[in-house]
Formats: sequence, structure tokens, C-alpha cells
Amino acid sequence: DADVTQTPRNRITKTGKRIMLECSQTKGHDRMYWYRQDPGLGLRLIYYSFDVKDINKGEISDGYSVSRQAQAKFSLSLESAIPNQTALYFCATSGGGDYGYTFGSGTRLTVV
Amino acid sequence: QQQVKQSPQSLIVQKGGISIINCAYENTAFDYFPWYQQFPGKGPALLIAIRPDVSEKKEGRFTISFNKSAKQFSLHIMDSQPGDSATYFCAARRGGSYIPTFGRGTSLIVHP
Repeated sequence: DADVTQTPRNRITKTGKRIMLECSQTKGHDRMYWYRQDPGLGLRLIYYSFDVKDINKGEISDGYSVSRQAQAKFSLSLESAIPNQTALYFCATSGGGDYGYTFGSGTRLTVV
Repeated sequence: QQQVKQSPQSLIVQKGGISIINCAYENTAFDYFPWYQQFPGKGPALLIAIRPDVSEKKEGRFTISFNKSAKQFSLHIMDSQPGDSATYFCAARRGGSYIPTFGRGTSLIVHP
């Protein structure tokens, strides 16, 4: 099984719908992150959490919310999806003194 | 403002050639410089990283060269192979922070 699992892998949704992307990890890491990838723009941080009671906004948090349900689970919600939220979304973790990230395989979201 | 500038955006190399991707930064507080490799349909994976106390780090065919005075670092892929075709991201992390700043990525294609 993958260290960081994201569901769903692909999703097409309509404008205005609420959608949740889920992430779970088996690394035992405390730190979890949500990134968005767009062609030519690289990876942009949406939200991050350093433990279950800690939630922080990243550089592009508008239109998104998150929930850290447990150490291993971190979900991203789009309350009212809009077409410019069409992108690849990645969950990542890091832990201890290791500064490297472990990424999930991503969710490709299309808002029509 | 891009804190980490990555170039080129895309690169095509013949099999056996050398691939070179460059990154430049402004913030002298950065103290950890990782490179990530992303294959299509996958999340980025940590490839190699360097700290500013060394000028070069080599792992197999992959080498990071670091120039602290110029605030530049680069990834060299020797004897490039078609299997190296991927998107590469450089990143830089400020001391005391767990969150890196990513470059915008380079799409590398190695022709057989």
C-alpha cells in the first residue's frame, strides 16, 4: 500500500457543487499539506497542519477548507467549486527532522 | 514574487546527453535545497537534496551543484535516459521552517 493515499484519483464535478478530497497516510508523520499543481505554476500550498489541532492557511486558501480528522487523515473541501479550481491536487506529509516531503499520487479535479 | 526561479521550463535531450536544470534564489536564510522528480500520473518524489555547507552532492547519475555566493543551484543528470523523462522541481527551505518554496518545474524529455 502507498504511504500517502489520496481519493478519489479523478473527479469531474459541476460548478457550485461541494466536493471533498481525502488523504490518509501510514508514515506516522505529524505534518500534512495540501498543494495544487497547475501547468507552468508549479506547486502552490493551499493549507497545512502540523498536528491534529493545528490548521494553517497557505498561499492560495481562498475557496478551500480543510479538516484534520486524525493524525493520519487530512481532507480538503471545495465548498462551491468553480472552473478555475480545475487542477491536480496533492497531499504530502513530512515528519521529525526529515524535511523532505512524501507526496500522494494526486487527485485530478475537473470543474465544469 | 518568485523566491525560487527555475529554468528552463522545458528541456529536450538526446539519450546519453547531460541534462542541466538551474535554480536561483534570493533569500539567504534558505538552508536546505531539495530536488523532486515527478513522473506522469504520480506525485513528486524526493530525488536528492543539498545543504549550503557543501558545493556538490552526487547520487548515481544525479548531481546537485551549489554556488552559495551566486545563490544558485543546479541539477545535472549525466548519461540521460528515456526513463529520466519527468518533471523536475527545485525547492528551497528556510531554516526553522518545514515548508519549502518550490520552483515552477522543468519538463524534461529524453529522446531515445
